[in-house]
Amino acid sequence: SQQGEEDPQALSIQEGENATMNCSYKTSINNLQWYRQNSGRGLVHLILIRSNEREKHSGRLRVTLDTSKKSSSLLITASRAADTASYFCATEYGQNFVFGPGTRLSVLP
Amino acid sequence: EPEVTQTPSHQVTQMGQEVILRCVPISNHLYFYWYRQILGQKVEFLVSFYNNEISEKSEIFDDQFSVERPDGSNFTLKIRSTKLEDSAMYFCASSKETSGIYEQYFGPGTRLTVT
Repeated sequence: SQQGEEDPQALSIQEGENATMNCSYKTSINNLQWYRQNSGRGLVHLILIRSNEREKHSGRLRVTLDTSKKSSSLLITASRAADTASYFCATEYGQNFVFGPGTRLSVLP
Repeated sequence: EPEVTQTPSHQVTQMGQEVILRCVPISNHLYFYWYRQILGQKVEFLVSFYNNEISEKSEIFDDQFSVERPDGSNFTLKIRSTKLEDSAMYFCASSKETSGIYEQYFGPGTRLTVT
């Protein structure tokens, strides 16, 4: 399987803390994307990191990519209750994307 | 900002009925996709479409499924005879190729409930 696998499966933190989610994949990729999904809702694109990039920032989000370890991490700093959602990594293989099972993040007020 | 749109947002149908889910991709995108997410599970690739034909499909995309681009703007997914297990959220996506990179943009999804 080429899919990304996120860990942990579930993460519960207090508001203000940082949340780190990891994604591992199995074969070479062109890029990796992170998405957020609120319960029962659509996918929201967070950030894309290309295979020749190592780190990318967007607001409170920081994504790293280690192609030698075939892994990526998503860091959300200073978390808020509104960050409560499922977070998925999606790896691009050619034209298609493969999603991991996601990390369910709960940010407690 | 351009976005992918999908209609309807929620479709309820009886087992055995045909359903058509509609998507309007971003206008200058040439690659189109359908994904499925059963409640509480991961997002699964169904099919990709380019140049008026299927590029790739998963094992989920059996003969009950078909896709079509009936005009210059719509991209549809048809399920011929729905089963209970087809109940899921269906996401459409579109992309364009830029320097070998395909950045997919997803629609908000259609929730299909088969009773």
